[in-house]
This record gives sequence, structure tokens and C-alpha cells, in this order.
Amino acid sequence: DAMVIQNPRYQVTQFGKPVTLSCSQTLNHNVMYWYQQKSSQAPKLLFHYYDKDFNNEADTPDNFQSRRPNTSFCFLDIRSPGLGDAAMYLCATESAYEQYFGPGTRLTVT
Amino acid sequence: AQSVTQLGSHVSVSEGALVLLRCNYSSSVPPYLFWYVQYPNQGLQLLLKYTSAATLVKGINGFEAEFKKSETSFHLTKPSAHMSDAAEYFCAVTLGNTPLVFGKGTRLSVIA
Repeated sequence: DAMVIQNPRYQVTQFGKPVTLSCSQTLNHNVMYWYQQKSSQAPKLLFHYYDKDFNNEADTPDNFQSRRPNTSFCFLDIRSPGLGDAAMYLCATESAYEQYFGPGTRLTVT
Repeated sequence: AQSVTQLGSHVSVSEGALVLLRCNYSSSVPPYLFWYVQYPNQGLQLLLKYTSAATLVKGINGFEAEFKKSETSFHLTKPSAHMSDAAEYFCAVTLGNTPLVFGKGTRLSVIA
């Protein structure tokens, strides 16, 4: 029944070592989002897609990139993770203004 | 630009007591408003939404919220708190063609 799936749920990477987080959806929604959420904070929007139209927020670091090869899959690439990038990363889809969130990937940077 | 303010970063209630989480919004046009709940190490789950239909909106788990345009508020209530309601709650707003803007969140604790 899973609708928005994120893999892995927990990811540990080393300082400076590239890492990729994955998101897939079975809802066939055109709109997808990536958020970063640090402890006790609200989710912060990094990127969003309206179908293939890609938008990154003005304050999203250049270190972060995203790919969406098709409607179902979306990836978040962190080229050189720093300690400050440790966070929960949430993927979401949207239909009729309602967002559907995945369970998140908790990233630890050592 | 639209925004939401959640009053109180932490609310503590006794089990069985009324839950009231406050949210005020700012928007130049009628907004769409949402309440999400987040349990530890989980994603966000939609509790309820206001999309310009009925002003009193009923959601899951016994929660409801009332849209009050005159007060620019969308407070979340539940008549009787349960231990399982302990979580982080986020109010959010969109104009429909813009990404969601979240409040800073309110952590609800329920005391036995």
C-alpha cells in the first residue's frame, strides 16, 4: 500500500563522500518535492518538480542536486556532504494541493 | 507572500483534556490551509485541510479545525487527548499554485 517510498530509511556517509537518496511513488503524481528537516524544525524546501519542470529554491546549496528520470522516481544527490547536512530528508508528491510524504531518510555524516 | 505562525513551540496537556494548537496565517488571497502530524523519525501525515468549502473541517484521529477569516486563524482542536497524540504538529499554507509554507511546528506532550 506504500505510496511514497524512500530508500534507505537511514543512511550514514562520510564527510565529503557523495551520497544519493531515492524516492519513488505509486501515485502517478506530476508534482514532487524534496525537503530537508533538521531537528525540531519545520521542513525546508530544497527542490520541486512540476512534471519535468525543475525548480530549486534560491537558498538551496549548490552541493545539492536532484534528478527525476521519470514520473515515478526522484533522486537527491549530495555531492560533498558536510556535517551541517545531517538531517532528515523528506520526499513528497502532490495532487489537488495535498502533499503525500514518504517516511524520510535520516542522513548521518561522520 | 503567505506565511503561518504557530503560537507555542511546545504544548503539554493531560490525557483526556482538550487539545488546542494555534495557527494564524497571512495571505493576500484566500488560502488553502493544512495541519500535518509528524511522529518521531517519520514523514508528515495529513490530519486535515481547508480548501474553501466548509469552514469547520474534520480530520483523522478526532481532530478538527475551524477557518476563521476575520481572525486569520486555523486552530486545531481535539476534545480529549490520548497518549498516542503526542507528536509534532505543523500548520501549512499554500495559495494553490505555490509550494507549501510551513509553520515552525508545535510539539504536543500528553501527560498520563
